[in-house]
Amino acid sequence: DAKTTQPPSMDCAEGRAANLPCNHSTISGNEYVYWYRQIHSQGPQYIIHGLKNNETNEMASLIITEDRKSSTLILPHATLRDTAVYYCIVRDLYNQGGKLIFGQGTELSVKP
Amino acid sequence: DTGVSQDPRHKITKRGQNVTFRCDPISEHNRLYWYRQTLGQGPEFLTYFQNEAQLEKSRLLSDRFSAERPKGSFSTLEIQRTEQGDSAMYLCASSLAWRGGTDTQYFGPGTRLTVL
Repeated sequence: DAKTTQPPSMDCAEGRAANLPCNHSTISGNEYVYWYRQIHSQGPQYIIHGLKNNETNEMASLIITEDRKSSTLILPHATLRDTAVYYCIVRDLYNQGGKLIFGQGTELSVKP
Repeated sequence: DTGVSQDPRHKITKRGQNVTFRCDPISEHNRLYWYRQTLGQGPEFLTYFQNEAQLEKSRLLSDRFSAERPKGSFSTLEIQRTEQGDSAMYLCASSLAWRGGTDTQYFGPGTRLTVL
């Protein structure tokens, strides 16, 4: 079973920041938080991952709370092409062979 | 385009037929994963390889399913005696795993199987 909880859907206005929350209250010390997204009928696309510290790349920022029990993915200036299902995944590299366990994700709709 | 390719992209078959899918990972990647995704659900893990060794298989991978990665490069997933419940998107991902670090999985476009 997935170890994360995400809202099933969210809306965001084009050009505004999209903030996607994720709860992972049972995360353990060696588990990473990964974010992927999946645009309709395509394979999942890697976005970003982190362990403790906040991370930023060209796609997004990942903010992890100090207790690591939740995180937020931030798309700073959402465009219509960011409409997708976003998956937050807690990944245990050492005990689960590195497989990704997907939940239901958050369906983000970016509206004009 | 992540560099992971899958063939075919779409497959329609009749119940009881055998089908085979191919995945070509990013060239230097030593890990290769197979996932299955049904409509409205997130992808589910099926199996993975490190080089040519198959290290883990999900209980979803029934006896009718077999996967190989003979030379540690491309992989095939075969489904024998297909059933309508096998209709799904089959996704392949690859990664470069190294000691002491994380590996990021990059997914291919998937093969959509429809069993009539």
